[in-house]
Amino acid sequence: DAGVIQSPRHEVTEMGQEVTLRCKPISGHDYLFWYRQTMMRGLELLIYFNNNVPIDDSGMPEDRFSAKMPNASFSTLKIQPSEPRDSAVYFCASSLAPGGYTFGSGTRLTVV
Amino acid sequence: GENVEQHPSTLSVQEGDSAVIKCTYSDSASNYFPWYKQELGKGPQLIIDIRSNVGEKKDQRIAVTLNKTAKHFSLHITETQPEDSAVYFCALTWGTGNQFYFGTGTSLTVIP
Repeated sequence: DAGVIQSPRHEVTEMGQEVTLRCKPISGHDYLFWYRQTMMRGLELLIYFNNNVPIDDSGMPEDRFSAKMPNASFSTLKIQPSEPRDSAVYFCASSLAPGGYTFGSGTRLTVV
Repeated sequence: GENVEQHPSTLSVQEGDSAVIKCTYSDSASNYFPWYKQELGKGPQLIIDIRSNVGEKKDQRIAVTLNKTAKHFSLHITETQPEDSAVYFCALTWGTGNQFYFGTGTSLTVIP
């Protein structure tokens, strides 16, 4: 298995633009998680899905953030409009609960 | 949410020496405690985990100990090598283990 695949690896965008981050979980994993990592706040859980259904989105910072999982092999995290304070590394992880996560390599987002 | 404290935040050791990282938690219902290693530019990778019915687990040079009474668990790395240099995160969860809480990370540097 290729592991959790995230794209793009790096994204630089201007403030106000829409940003879409993509994730392909490991085949067969029924949980998918989106995390944000910053120096100040560490790893923060934004939202997670079980069998493509959003279970807990209490970590989503505000309405500018949205996430979807249209099928078992694909998820997106969208920020619209983006702001400089959204700059961070965004990780997707999947798991076959219960057990440890497998993280993707992350998307480094820079909003200028 | 659960409060996970991780210490130290930075750790430097000479190659061949041991390194110990400790995490404390507050919720006695926590029952699964994984440790992740994050190398520069990569996502966190699970290196070892322990469940609440076990006091210690070893995997070659890595071990994890759990003290449920005192509510702390530790990562022990023996005979450290330069490739052990990375950021290490503790985590925990409870119940069905769907949502993890992460420590703030320890930056380990092994000096050749």
